[in-house]
Amino acid sequence: EVQLVESGGGLVQPGRSLRLSCAASGFTFDDYAMHWVRQAPGKGLEWVSGINWNSGRTGYADSVTGRFTISRDNANNSLYLQMNSLRVGDTALYHCVKGGFWDQVYFDSWGRGTQVTVSS
Amino acid sequence: EIVLTQSPATLSLSPGERATLSCRASQSVSIYLAWYQQKPGQVPRLLIYDASNRATGIPARFRGSGSGTDFTLTISSLEPEDFAVYYCQQRSDWPPQYTFGQGTKLEIK
Repeated sequence: EVQLVESGGGLVQPGRSLRLSCAASGFTFDDYAMHWVRQAPGKGLEWVSGINWNSGRTGYADSVTGRFTISRDNANNSLYLQMNSLRVGDTALYHCVKGGFWDQVYFDSWGRGTQVTVSS
Repeated sequence: EIVLTQSPATLSLSPGERATLSCRASQSVSIYLAWYQQKPGQVPRLLIYDASNRATGIPARFRGSGSGTDFTLTISSLEPEDFAVYYCQQRSDWPPQYTFGQGTKLEIK
C-alpha cells in the first residue's frame, strides 16, 4: 500500500522560511515523479511543484517560482519542499503526491497533507 | 501559461441522472488531461487520465472524452456517492506545469 506522510508544516511569519518533508513507502520511489499540491481553506487545488525520478527535471507554479525549491532523496524515499519568502497567500494544506512518468498527468496517490499558515 | 476553465461551477442533479462536466483549455493540451474527484474531508482521487482512460478501480459509469482544448467528464447514472467536487488537470511542456481547473461542484438536487 502506498503511503505518503508529510511533515514540517506550522505557523510562520511572512518573509520567513519553512521546509516540508514527505516520507514515501509502499512503492519503488525512484521510479516515479513526485509533486506538491496545495489547497487553501475552502478553495480549489493548486499544483505547486514537481520533480522527475532522478531530479533532472523540475517545475514550479508561477506563484512560487524563485521562492520554493523542490528536491528528493531517493536513497531515503523522501521528497522535500523548501519554501522561502513566505507570503500570507501561501497559507494552505500541502499534499505530497505520487505521479507517473514526468510527462504524465497521473497523480494517483495523495498524502493527507501538512498545514502551513503564514501570518504575523 | 495554459488556463483550464471548468463549467458549470455548480451542477445540481438527482441520483440516476446523467452528469456532463466540461473542461476547456486556453490552448491545446493534446490528450494530456486528467480528472479528479474530491469529497469533503478527503484527498482527491484520480478518475481519468490521458483524457479517456479510467484509473484503477474507477467504475465504468465514469467516462472521459475530448482532445485538444475541449474535454468532458460524463457520469452516466449518478450514484449517491458521486456528489463531490471534480477537477480537471493538464500539463504544459514549457514551462513544465500541471495546472488544475477551478472545479465543478456536483450537488444533489
